[in-house]
Amino acid sequence: QKEVEQDPGPLSVPEGAIVSLNCTYSNSAFQYFMWYRQYSRKGPELLMYTYSSGNKEDGRFTAQVDKSSKYISLFIRDSQPSDSATYLCAMSLLTTGNQFYFGTGTSLTVIP
Amino acid sequence: DTEVTQTPKHLVMGMTNKKSLKCEQHMGHRAMYWYKQKAKKPPELMFVYSYEKLSINESVPSRFSPECPNSSLLNLHLHALQPEDSALYLCASSPQGDRLSNEQFFGPGTRLTVL
Repeated sequence: QKEVEQDPGPLSVPEGAIVSLNCTYSNSAFQYFMWYRQYSRKGPELLMYTYSSGNKEDGRFTAQVDKSSKYISLFIRDSQPSDSATYLCAMSLLTTGNQFYFGTGTSLTVIP
Repeated sequence: DTEVTQTPKHLVMGMTNKKSLKCEQHMGHRAMYWYKQKAKKPPELMFVYSYEKLSINESVPSRFSPECPNSSLLNLHLHALQPEDSALYLCASSPQGDRLSNEQFFGPGTRLTVL
């Protein structure tokens, strides 16, 4: 079993839709949870960073962490064509020293 | 300056060539990373430097040789690569070098093609 599971998609939605992206994980010791957006042939861009459980909101983006279910989500409200990209979840332990565990990424297309 | 820069953007090399990738950040970050990313796959960690010392080497072949000359610079020296080493090579940095997991900031990557 992989440490982090993420549905690769592709996911295609109309402009203005609410998008839900999800990852599950197996290691209950993960404490830090990140979402990255990666446009084609570019480096990943950090979108959201959450420590432990709870919600975090930044503009149209909301990150949720449910540690009891080992499940994290990223919601995008009022999706735009410019949101079309691959979204990677990443997580890490408190003490392993600089190692991230990435999901495989979900490819999202927002259709105008 | 709030970004990680990488040069060159593209590199094509033969299997007998020696080349180097360069990464630079001026955010005062004390941890720097090299990742390899194949198409439609997540980044794979190669090396981590923490306070300019190599702290993680993920069993990377010796044809890849990292170097951290100072806290702002990270190099990846390439020699005798194979075609399967063709990938996007990403550099990242994070604020603190002795504890995970501060968020990592990625550069745009160097797209490497080995002929």
